[in-house]
Amino acid sequence: AQSVTQPDIHITVSEGASLELRCNYSYGATPYLFWYVQSPGQGLQLLLKYFSGDTLVQGIKGFEAEFKRSQSSFNLRKPSVHWSDAAEYFCAVAFTGGGNKLTFGTGTQLKVEL
Amino acid sequence: KAGVTQTPRYLIKTRGQQVTLSCSPISGHRSVSWYQQTPGQGLQFLFEYFSETQRNKGNFPGRFSGRQFSNSRSEMNVSTLELGDSALYLCASRRGIEASGNTIYFGEGSWLTVV
Repeated sequence: AQSVTQPDIHITVSEGASLELRCNYSYGATPYLFWYVQSPGQGLQLLLKYFSGDTLVQGIKGFEAEFKRSQSSFNLRKPSVHWSDAAEYFCAVAFTGGGNKLTFGTGTQLKVEL
Repeated sequence: KAGVTQTPRYLIKTRGQQVTLSCSPISGHRSVSWYQQTPGQGLQFLFEYFSETQRNKGNFPGRFSGRQFSNSRSEMNVSTLELGDSALYLCASRRGIEASGNTIYFGEGSWLTVV
């Protein structure tokens, strides 16, 4: 069965510092990968997605992620964090033939110190 | 264009009651899926509908059911509510049924509290 691991439950960074959130998946076939962000009391907003092609993908709000097949990873990065980035971030994976559903990681709660 | 719309946003029910949640997908999207989010279990897939047919189902008891209408709008129903059903229920839509090339967009969710 497919699974997604986000090893960091909480991360605290200073405003203006760089950010990297880790995501590893477990599945044999080519996955379709997503990062979503959730602010308190809100739904999930899509930050970026990877289906195929260039392994470095750009998203909204200055985020990017890199798909590394050899490491089964899809880490999210941002060069300079803003206080408004404080939220919970979820990595998710889907694949054709697996019911096409999203399987989510447990999330990483980001705190930004001013 | 309008996003995924869920109603109601907040509701409180008593144990043993039933509840129906509604979801209107993005215009042109024919697939609607539902997820449950709780602090303990995280985000879990409930089921997905496409063209009024359930295409996939997660590991939830039969108390959880859903349906999709010809206009792609969807409802989910939970019968005989239990305290553990308290959660944020998220609806998501996408244009097609395949994972490839079909981005999934989420609504704001319906907060259900069972007392």
